[in-house]
Amino acid sequence: EAGVTQFPSHSVIEKGQTVTLRCDPISGHDNLYWYRRVMGKEIKFLLHFVKESKQDESGMPNNRFLAERTGGTYSTLKVQPAELEDSGVYFCASSQLRGGQETQYFGPGTRLLVL
Amino acid sequence: AQSVSQHNHHVILSEAASLELGCNYSYGGTVNLFWYVQYPGQHLQLLLKYFSGDPLVKGIKGFEAEFIKSKFSFNLRKPSVQWSDTAEYFCAASHKAAGNKLTFGGGTRVLVKP
Repeated sequence: EAGVTQFPSHSVIEKGQTVTLRCDPISGHDNLYWYRRVMGKEIKFLLHFVKESKQDESGMPNNRFLAERTGGTYSTLKVQPAELEDSGVYFCASSQLRGGQETQYFGPGTRLLVL
Repeated sequence: AQSVSQHNHHVILSEAASLELGCNYSYGGTVNLFWYVQYPGQHLQLLLKYFSGDPLVKGIKGFEAEFIKSKFSFNLRKPSVQWSDTAEYFCAASHKAAGNKLTFGGGTRVLVKP
């Protein structure tokens, strides 16, 4: 079974540019989460999809971040325009709820550097 | 709001030494607890998890953790570490009322000297 994949693995952009990150969850997983780790800080929740619906986007920093999950499959996270403080590692995780228990499986992350 | 704290940012130890990483969480209700590990150049992997039942949980690679509800703790242990245990370790918690999103501790970097 393929794991969670993310693309690109690294992205270096200039302030003001746009970047789109992609996450492909494990096949059959309805839940998809985005997290971010800014350097030196803890991993923080950004948002949660259940299938194609946004369940919780309370962690999104501001309206420069837009997440979508077309057809309940892969998800994209777009940052427009990017700012210096957006630099960090963006993780995606997916899960399937079984018997009230949920374990999230993580992708390798996308390292974003905004110059 | 729920929070998770890890006691140590960095730990350095020699092979065959015992390892214990502290983790405390703040949430009064039913909580799910996890330890994830990130080896150099790799992605976050699940080491072990606790949902309910036996508070002593055994995970992969010889790791175990003990849930102590009265202390709000979920410490990770390994009796004898190997050089290959060099990694960053993350404690995380979730609960159903918050949609099962994970709240992470700050991570502990463990360096095992050969």
